[in-house]
Amino acid sequence: EIVLTQSPVTLSLSPGERATLSCRASQSVSSYLAWYQQKPGQAPRLLIYDAFNRATGIPARFSASGSGTDFTLTISSLEPEDFAVYYCQQRSKWPSFTFGPGTRVDLK
Amino acid sequence: EVQLVQSGAEVKKPGESLKISCEGSGYSFTNYWIGWVRQMPGKALEWMGSIYPGDSNTKYNPSFEGQVTISADRSITTAYLQWNSLKASDTAMYYCTIYYYGSTSLDLWGQGTLVAVSS
Repeated sequence: EIVLTQSPVTLSLSPGERATLSCRASQSVSSYLAWYQQKPGQAPRLLIYDAFNRATGIPARFSASGSGTDFTLTISSLEPEDFAVYYCQQRSKWPSFTFGPGTRVDLK
Repeated sequence: EVQLVQSGAEVKKPGESLKISCEGSGYSFTNYWIGWVRQMPGKALEWMGSIYPGDSNTKYNPSFEGQVTISADRSITTAYLQWNSLKASDTAMYYCTIYYYGSTSLDLWGQGTLVAVSS
């Protein structure tokens, strides 16, 4: 079973700053890694699929990279609406999925 | 417009049974998998399992096998998540999500159903 770990647990930043979030897989997931944003009381929203592709309607300030076991989500300049929890996810043994524990981006 | 609409919040006592629903519309119901995701209060997302309404093929996360039942009714394009005997630890938000064969991500989610179990 592939396990995802995310770091840091919490990232305290100010609007306008750059956020860099990490996701590491216990073994290679190729490029099958997605990122989600979740705000309180809302369902998760897909941001990035297949490691670096922005989902429909996602602003360009969100970018991602990585392959194999190490992945990064970058928010180039935080907007007030970006303070949320971010999860990475990989497609494990079909048709199942696995999520990471999440990184909270909160206001410094 | 593709939509997943989940049933409303539930408050139950330990030992009671419960079935929550997820109605799909705007897409071919039998051609997409429907998955269920648990989120306990303040915790991360957990994959519970999924069903393919086309042939009722169902796969469970081993952590949830035997604890819940996933089903679907093609005639009313609705999937279900069911408990026979709830525990306080089942208190959580439950989301449904759809994906097609080969998907590597989940881009459509229901709004969630809050289940609270307390004596």
